[in-house]
Amino acid sequence: QSVLTQPPSASGTPGQRVTISCSGSSSNIESNYVYWYQQIPGTAPKLLIYRHNQRPSGVPDRFSGSKSGTSASLAISGLRSEDEADYYCAAWDDSLSGWVFGGGTKLTVL
Amino acid sequence: QVQLVQSGTEVKKPGASVKVSCKASGYTFTSYGVSWVRQAPGQGLEWMGWISAYNGFTNSAQNFQDRVTMTTDTSTSTAYMELRSLRSDDTAVYYCARGEQYATSARGKFDYWGQGTLVTVSS
Repeated sequence: QSVLTQPPSASGTPGQRVTISCSGSSSNIESNYVYWYQQIPGTAPKLLIYRHNQRPSGVPDRFSGSKSGTSASLAISGLRSEDEADYYCAAWDDSLSGWVFGGGTKLTVL
Repeated sequence: QVQLVQSGTEVKKPGASVKVSCKASGYTFTSYGVSWVRQAPGQGLEWMGWISAYNGFTNSAQNFQDRVTMTTDTSTSTAYMELRSLRSDDTAVYYCARGEQYATSARGKFDYWGQGTLVTVSS
């Protein structure tokens, strides 16, 4: 059971906008930055969003992050087939003094 | 370009230890920390711990505090993670990931990842 809660799956058609939620608590999301990672099966995770809503260079602006209270969201607009991957949220947890991850959301592009 | 290259696949028996290496290149090794994250087959990501390549300070996840040792060799820009008393549920892909620049703790983004090392624990 992951400390951060994500829906196990999400889907959309090319060009659509999809959002993936991440629910936590006062000791993690509410009081610390949220990060998002994209993982194509069989490969290492890749940093997608850091500090709630910042994109590393090279990440398209189709990807955006937001946070409100104890929850965060990743939005992907203009969905493309290459966005099909697993997405993980992460945050530092002050109670555990460590990083916690969501269980991951498998995004399918129909 | 920044690269983290990890050691190869390991097969171990229950009760044994495994040591995974992560060789960094393309940046000043001692200006960053390294975290270790594992992923069991078909499962999500699990953070194991972090080491500062600057001063060797470590921070381990509660689940691994008694069994994991993280070290660095600054002369070769290599980080190591040793996990002891292996069990079958330690079977996973183990990743190293670069932490935040100049960080004094494990907080901060993991911006580059190694390719992963599969560790299989089986009798």
